[in-house]
Amino acid sequence: KNEVEQSPQNLTAQEGEFITINCSYSVGISALHWLQQHPGGGIVSLFMLSSGKKKHGRLIATINIQEKHSSLHITASHPRDSAVYICAVRSASGAGSYQLTFGKGTKLSVIP
Amino acid sequence: DTGVSQNPRHKITKRGQNVTFRCDPISEHNRLYWYRQTLGQGPEFLTYFQNEAQLEKSRLLSDRFSAERPKGSFSTLEIQRTEQGDSAMYLCASSFNLLGQGDGYTFGSGTRLTVV
Repeated sequence: KNEVEQSPQNLTAQEGEFITINCSYSVGISALHWLQQHPGGGIVSLFMLSSGKKKHGRLIATINIQEKHSSLHITASHPRDSAVYICAVRSASGAGSYQLTFGKGTKLSVIP
Repeated sequence: DTGVSQNPRHKITKRGQNVTFRCDPISEHNRLYWYRQTLGQGPEFLTYFQNEAQLEKSRLLSDRFSAERPKGSFSTLEIQRTEQGDSAMYLCASSFNLLGQGDGYTFGSGTRLTVV
């Protein structure tokens, strides 16, 4: 079982819809990242959070440490939001645990 | 500073050949990571440097793989005697530590390797 599970795997939405992508993890973490990956491979970091909620433009990320769950919300979705959204966590265990463990990603398609 | 730079963007090689990829991190970042991503999967950790020291290596990093960061700046990842299973996107990232909040990551655009 992957330590980081995302749902849904694929999501198609109409332009303007409110979108939610979920991430659950099974280990204690020091930080959780939400990343965006467009075709061609480049990854852009959207958020890094360890508690609470962050907002940037139309994007909102929340995390519940007790429930080991995070959500990424996109308000007023637009076709340019179409991408793969990846959740990644940094383990809290051990001094050397600097690498990230990634979910498989959620492929979002926003239709005009 | 233009972010994390990876070269080449694409590499096609014949099975059995050696390949080398380069990553130039953000200059202020002391940590550098290599990840590998196969189609439909999330990236998987390969190795991590703090300055010039290679501190962690994944079991995914077989004897055919070697990574260096000789002066604590750019890094190279070499794959010897490439196999078709090595075909993947190789991602580099660099980070700095935000006190109490974990590492702030910046990713490169990746090098896509195709072994034919």
